[in-house]
Amino acid sequence: GQNIDQPTEMTATEGAIVQINCTYQTSGFNGLFWYQQHAGEAPTFLSYNVLDGLEEKGRFSSFLSRSKGYSYLLLKELQMKDSASYLCAVMDSNYQLIWGAGTKLIIKP
Amino acid sequence: ETGVTQTPRHLVMGMTNKKSLKCEQHLGHNAMYWYKQSAKKPLELMFVYNFKEQTENNSVPSRFSPECPNSSHLFLHLHTLQPEDSALYLCASSSSENTEAFFGQGTRLTVV
Repeated sequence: GQNIDQPTEMTATEGAIVQINCTYQTSGFNGLFWYQQHAGEAPTFLSYNVLDGLEEKGRFSSFLSRSKGYSYLLLKELQMKDSASYLCAVMDSNYQLIWGAGTKLIIKP
Repeated sequence: ETGVTQTPRHLVMGMTNKKSLKCEQHLGHNAMYWYKQSAKKPLELMFVYNFKEQTENNSVPSRFSPECPNSSHLFLHLHTLQPEDSALYLCASSSSENTEAFFGQGTRLTVV
């Protein structure tokens, strides 16, 4: 079966750095997405990785290792507004998105 | 504002009611999706429409009936739902089936 694993919840301090991991087993791979979802709001697109390596976009970076079936989202200089759920999703060989259950990130002052 | 608008934002309905959820996108996208999001569970893809044609139906019960009259509008018709159908229903669109999706804010559905 297809599976995406990510931690249920993480806590970090304002100004610090946090890494949210995602591991996957899917039938084929056509890219990995990270989305941010604030409570009661729509998920919003953060990043897309299809090749191995690190993609940096401001305070957020996303890393992919296809051989290990592994990705992480790195958030630097954390702000209170970064408190949200972070969803990992993999596009399989049929171009279907397989979603993780999301990681709820709590930022403390 | 993501360019995808869903109405209503909240809906409470009885098990014998019939209601419809509406989704509209102004992004010129060709693919539209319905997802179900339950607490602490992964997003569940329900239906996919590509160029107004349904290309995916993930074994969704017949009490959920989608309709896509044009590439900008998507409906989800609901009838005789069960309490376990209570969830957040999200609509999304993308330029094609293999690009990032843009989501609406969802309809919070409660079945009583």
